[in-house]
Amino acid sequence: QQQVKQSPQSLIVQKGGISIINCAYENTAFDYFPWYQQFPGKGPALLIAIRPDVSEKKEGRFTISFNKSAKQFSLHIMDSQPGDSATYFCAASGRTGANNLFFGTGTRLTVIP
Amino acid sequence: DTAVSQTPKYLVTQMGNDKSIKCEQNLGHDTMYWYKQDSKKFLKIMFSYNNKELIINETVPNRFSPKSPDKAHLNLHINSLELGDSAVYFCASSQDWGQQGTQYFGPGTRLLVL
Repeated sequence: QQQVKQSPQSLIVQKGGISIINCAYENTAFDYFPWYQQFPGKGPALLIAIRPDVSEKKEGRFTISFNKSAKQFSLHIMDSQPGDSATYFCAASGRTGANNLFFGTGTRLTVIP
Repeated sequence: DTAVSQTPKYLVTQMGNDKSIKCEQNLGHDTMYWYKQDSKKFLKIMFSYNNKELIINETVPNRFSPKSPDKAHLNLHINSLELGDSAVYFCASSQDWGQQGTQYFGPGTRLLVL
């Protein structure tokens, strides 16, 4: 059972364009939504995270938009660069037990020069 | 300095063998995790562990067992390896048990079962 659904599976964007990745969840107990970036041959690394008390969080070129009523959140990468080419995972966790992260299925982003 | 390290990086073995993957973190974190990433890149939690509590994902076969000699180490033992165990296994750690925050991942161990 996939707790967090992510789309698209792959994304190709021109350099300078905007990359948008979407995620949706069902479990209303989730209240922490991070995005992880993974380069080939490496482990995932935290990119940016949001809690549901805000609708948007921005860090540099990366923005999370959060819609609590729709149970959806998205990552926007502004001015996409070839160095952003990686696999992006959304995730979610709730305040029960351990800090278990439930990951989306990943989006492979390719930024063309 | 490597925050979360894993050994070996690659592991090729025959079906039926028993193997271990080691994980060490030098961040002083209380909680460690094991994840499995399959060929489609899907990341799934296997275990969450601190010195008092272990949470096992119910879908993980009991051939997999975590062993923690101390707070900085969480090793993964796998008995009677099967073809379907082939995957990349990631260790991770975070500051506190039950507190949401950054999880720091190791570089992964690529396991291939022949």
